[in-house]
Amino acid sequence: KNEVEQSPQNLTAQEGEFITINCSYSVGISALHWLQQHPGGGIVSLFMLSSGKKKHGRLIATINIQEKHSSLHITASHPRDSAVYICAVRYKMGGGGADGLTFGKGTHLIIQP
Amino acid sequence: NAGVTQTPKFQVLKTGQSMTLQCAQDMNHEYMSWYRQDPGMGLRLIHYSVGAGITDQGEVPNGYNVSRSTTEDFPLRLLSAAPSQTSVYFCASSYSGRAREQFFGPGTRLTVL
Repeated sequence: KNEVEQSPQNLTAQEGEFITINCSYSVGISALHWLQQHPGGGIVSLFMLSSGKKKHGRLIATINIQEKHSSLHITASHPRDSAVYICAVRYKMGGGGADGLTFGKGTHLIIQP
Repeated sequence: NAGVTQTPKFQVLKTGQSMTLQCAQDMNHEYMSWYRQDPGMGLRLIHYSVGAGITDQGEVPNGYNVSRSTTEDFPLRLLSAAPSQTSVYFCASSYSGRAREQFFGPGTRLTVL
């Protein structure tokens, strides 16, 4: 069974701190997505990557294919970054829930002022 | 460009009732999918479609039907609602092929009494 594990499940930090959220998966993938879900419930795609590193503003996503691991970093965190961050993977050979994405359970991040 | 739209936002049903959750996208995406999100679990794929006239089952298809008569619309039908179908439902779309950015609708919160 394809597994996507995220850590930590919950994270509370102070404004300005450097945040790291981790995602590991069990088999080879064609792409990994990082998603953000705000308290209102909407889901937004942050990054999609299959190798290396991507940066958008204060957000950085990295992936290590050999180690089957990805990290999402937030620099200079702000209370508006408070949300659930979700890792999702698309497996090769049509796996991952029959040509969909397999999702982690999410990391609930709270940034306190 | 409205993106992915879902209606209704909220719905309460009684056990045994049927209803249709609507999903539409205006980005000419070939791939559309339905997910459900339950507390403590990652999103799970219900059904998906790779184009008009083509649908297939995902991880948790029982109790749901879909059809794709046009590129834009992908309705999800609950045949006979059960309390176990209480969940938040998300529709998503993307261009076809692997490693494509997913666009999510705002979600439908369904309660079955």
